[in-house]
Amino acid sequence: DPKIIQKPKYLVAVTGSEKILICEQYLGHNAMYWYRQSAKKPLEFMFSYSYQKLMDNQTASSRFQPQSSKKNHLDLQITALKPDDSATYFCASRRTANSDYTFGSGTRLLVI
Amino acid sequence: QQQVRQSPQSLTVWEGETAILNCSYEDSTFNYFPWYQQFPGEGPALLISISSVSDKKEDGRFTIFFNKREKKLSLHITDSQPGDSATYFCAMNYGGSGNKLIFGTGTLLSVKP
Repeated sequence: DPKIIQKPKYLVAVTGSEKILICEQYLGHNAMYWYRQSAKKPLEFMFSYSYQKLMDNQTASSRFQPQSSKKNHLDLQITALKPDDSATYFCASRRTANSDYTFGSGTRLLVI
Repeated sequence: QQQVRQSPQSLTVWEGETAILNCSYEDSTFNYFPWYQQFPGEGPALLISISSVSDKKEDGRFTIFFNKREKKLSLHITDSQPGDSATYFCAMNYGGSGNKLIFGTGTLLSVKP
């Protein structure tokens, strides 16, 4: 059974629209993260949350807004979508800031 | 600014050979170096890791060699198997708030039977 559930697995969106990427983890971890993987680029850190509080934000654009309604949830809202936002978005978690990461299987977003 | 460099971009070896994947970095504050394995359509999965106080870490067929002075690491996969065909990412723990990982660009390994 997957320990980190990301939904949807695939997503096609129209330029200018808004989407929410869902992430739930069932590992009992206290820290959650979002990373982005674009073509021919390294995995890029976006956000980190610890105990539902934002710890670090490396995303320049305010169009990306993480939302944590529960301890084991960290969704990602993306507004005014652009074709450059096309990427695979990975949610990750770890028990503490010094533990190893576990990644979800990703949401593949295509903006047309 | 590319903080973590990986080479080669792609590597093909025959089954049974040793694959050597390289990684280098610039920031001397990095102190923890995990390697991740990623299969198509899946997320990265932790394969093996090493801290900066060690110069070698072995786990079965996978070994990390770490040269702190030169800021270089390598992952050796001995007796390579077709099932090892995947993309391998070198990553580094960047201290500070959130302790985010900085990833390299990856090496695509293909093991031919």
